[in-house]
Amino acid sequence: IQLTQSPSFLSASVGDRVTITCRASQDISNYLAWYQQKPGKAPDLLIYAASTMQDGVPSRFSGSGAGTQFTLTISSLQPEDFATYYCQQFDSYPALTFGGGTKVEI
Amino acid sequence: EVELVESGGGLGQPGMSLRLSCAASGFMFDDYAMHWVRQTPGKGLEWVSGAAWNSRVLGYADSVKGRFTISRDNAKSSLYLHMNSLRPEDTALYYCVKEGRQWRYGHYYYYMDVWGKGITVTVSS
Repeated sequence: IQLTQSPSFLSASVGDRVTITCRASQDISNYLAWYQQKPGKAPDLLIYAASTMQDGVPSRFSGSGAGTQFTLTISSLQPEDFATYYCQQFDSYPALTFGGGTKVEI
Repeated sequence: EVELVESGGGLGQPGMSLRLSCAASGFMFDDYAMHWVRQTPGKGLEWVSGAAWNSRVLGYADSVKGRFTISRDNAKSSLYLHMNSLRPEDTALYYCVKEGRQWRYGHYYYYMDVWGKGITVTVSS
C-alpha cells in the first residue's frame, strides 16, 4: 500500500489554518496514524485511527478521513508546530508504510 | 519511564553484516509488538521490520527481505535486527519503536507510540 502526502512542502505563518492530505493507494478503512518530527528528534505520535488524538496533543490538531483520503489539520499554527508530518498506514499489517512527509516551514 | 535504547550501529562495508540491539525498559516488553524504522539523512521514514509480541508474526519491507532478520528476547526485554549483505542504500538512522494499541469501534488500532533516539548505520567501502 502506497501513501502519497501533499503538499511535500508548505510555507505558512503563525495563526494560519493548515491542511495536509494523505492518499492511500487502496482502501485502508481508518487504520491511519499521523506523526510530527522536529529536526534531530524522533517522531511523535499525534493521531491514530485517523481521528483519535494521542494523549497530550494540543486540540488545534485534528485528523479526518477514511478509505483512501485523509487529512491532518492544524487550526491555528503555532511556532512549535513547524516540523515535518508523516502519515502511516496499519491496514496491511505487518507490512507498514509511511507517507513521504510534509515539511511545514515559516 | 518508558525508554528504548539502540546500540550496535556504526560503519560496515558493503556485503558485510551488522547487528542492532534495542534495550527496552519501563513497560511490559512481552505485551507489545516492536518495530525497526529507518530514516536516510534528509529523507523520510521507512518501516524496516516488525515482530509480534510472541515472534509468531514477523514482517519485512521489500527492500530488506531476505537480508535482514528481526528477533526479540522477551526475557531480556530486547529487540534485535540482524543485517546481512549490507548495501550503501542501507545507510540510515535506525529507530527502535514500540507499537501501541487501543480497542475502539470494535477493532484494535495500532500506532507507534515510543521511539528510541536512533542509531546510525553507515555502509561504505
